[in-house]
Amino acid sequence: AQSVTQLDSQVPVFEEAPVELRCNYSSSVSVYLFWYVQYPNQGLQLLLKYLSGSTLVKGINGFEAEFNKSQTSFHLRKPSVHISDTAEYFCAVPDRGSTLGRLYFGRGTQLTVWP
Amino acid sequence: KAGVTQTPRYLIKTRGQQVTLSCSPISGHRSVSWYQQTPGQGLQFLFEYFSETQRNKGNFPGRFSGRQFSNSRSEMNVSTLELGDSALYLCASRRTGGASTDTQYFGPGTRLTVL
Repeated sequence: AQSVTQLDSQVPVFEEAPVELRCNYSSSVSVYLFWYVQYPNQGLQLLLKYLSGSTLVKGINGFEAEFNKSQTSFHLRKPSVHISDTAEYFCAVPDRGSTLGRLYFGRGTQLTVWP
Repeated sequence: KAGVTQTPRYLIKTRGQQVTLSCSPISGHRSVSWYQQTPGQGLQFLFEYFSETQRNKGNFPGRFSGRQFSNSRSEMNVSTLELGDSALYLCASRRTGGASTDTQYFGPGTRLTVL
């Protein structure tokens, strides 16, 4: 089975500071990778996805992620965070060799932005 | 276009009862996946349905079952509820047919509390 490791369970930052949320995946084949965000009492919203091509992927709300095959990483970054970015962020990878209907999620990173 | 809808949003049951949760996918999406989210186990895949057939199943006991109707709407059922079944149940739909459009979109979830 695929696996995803999110290295930080909590990341506190001050408003307007840059942030990086780290994600490593395990796979020996080409992968698709996703970042989702979950606001309190809501479902998951897709931030961005990597399918192929350019290793730098831009998403919504000013977020971007870089796919690094040699380091098996897909870290999420934002140059300047806002209070409204406070949420839980999940990295996910689909089941290897199957359709994209089954995702394996990391344990999540709670991003808290302080004023 | 309307997003994924789940009903009910909140549910309280007692041990031993059974429960049925409903999910209406985005129009045109034929695949529906279900996930359980708990603080202890994180996000775990339950099953996926496509064209009224279960395509993939996670590692859950047989008390967890699901089905999909011809209009792609899906239900999941949990029989003989246990305290540990208290969780947020998320439904996701996807279009299928090519990685560029093959992304799971999540509903707001159903919060199940078992007393």
